[in-house]
Amino acid sequence: NAGVTQTPKFQVLKTGQSMTLQCAQDMNHNSMYWYRQDPGMGLRLIYYSASEGTTDKGEVPNGYNVSRLNKREFSLRLESAAPSQTSVYFCASSEGIYISQPQHFGDGTRLSIL
Amino acid sequence: AQKITQTQPGMFVQEKEAVTLDCTYDTSDPSYGLFWYKQPSSGEMIFLIYQGSYDQQNATEGRYSLNFQKARKSANLVISASQLGDSAMYFCAMREVYGGATNKLIFGTGTLLAVQP
Repeated sequence: NAGVTQTPKFQVLKTGQSMTLQCAQDMNHNSMYWYRQDPGMGLRLIYYSASEGTTDKGEVPNGYNVSRLNKREFSLRLESAAPSQTSVYFCASSEGIYISQPQHFGDGTRLSIL
Repeated sequence: AQKITQTQPGMFVQEKEAVTLDCTYDTSDPSYGLFWYKQPSSGEMIFLIYQGSYDQQNATEGRYSLNFQKARKSANLVISASQLGDSAMYFCAMREVYGGATNKLIFGTGTLLAVQP
C-alpha cells in the first residue's frame, strides 16, 4: 500500500548543481502536486498537474521545472540549485480537482544546498 | 493577506483529555473546502478530516471532529481522548474554487501539539 513514493529521501547539493526529485503514485490519481515546506511558513505550492499532459505554476515556481511523465509520475527539477532552495519537498496526489478530494502526500525529500 | 491563520504555535494536553486546535480562514469564494493534516516527527503529512463550505453538519472522523463556524470563518479541529501518538504538528488548509487554481491547497503555519502522560 505505497501511496505516494518520493525519491530520494535526503540529498545534499552544492550551489549550481542540478537535481531531479522523483514522485510516483499508485492510486490512479489524476492530479499531482509539488510543495515545499520551510520553517514557520507551512507548505507552499510550487507546481501542479491537474491531469496527465498538463502542468501549471503554483505560488513559488521560480527556479523549478516539472515533468508529468505519465499518469503515475511527476518529477521536479532544480536546474541550478541555490541555498534558498534548501527545504523539505513534498509530492502529493488527488483523485481530481474537486474541492472535496483530499491530497495525499509522500514522506518528503529533505534537500540541503550548500 | 494570510488566508489561513493558526494562532497557536504550540499546545500541551494531558493524555485522555480533549483538545481544540484553532483555525480561521479568509475567503470571498462561496465554495471552498477545509482540511486538517497531521505531521508527526517522522515528517509525513497525513490527511485527517475534510469540511465543505456547504456541509450542514460538522465533519467527524473517529476521534477527530471539525467545529465549523461559517459566520466566524473558523474551522477548529477537536481531538477527543488524546493519545501520546497524537503528538505532532497539525496543519489547517483550505481549497478554493476561484482564483485560477482549484487544485491549490493553502496551508496555515501549523500548531505543534504535545500530549503529556
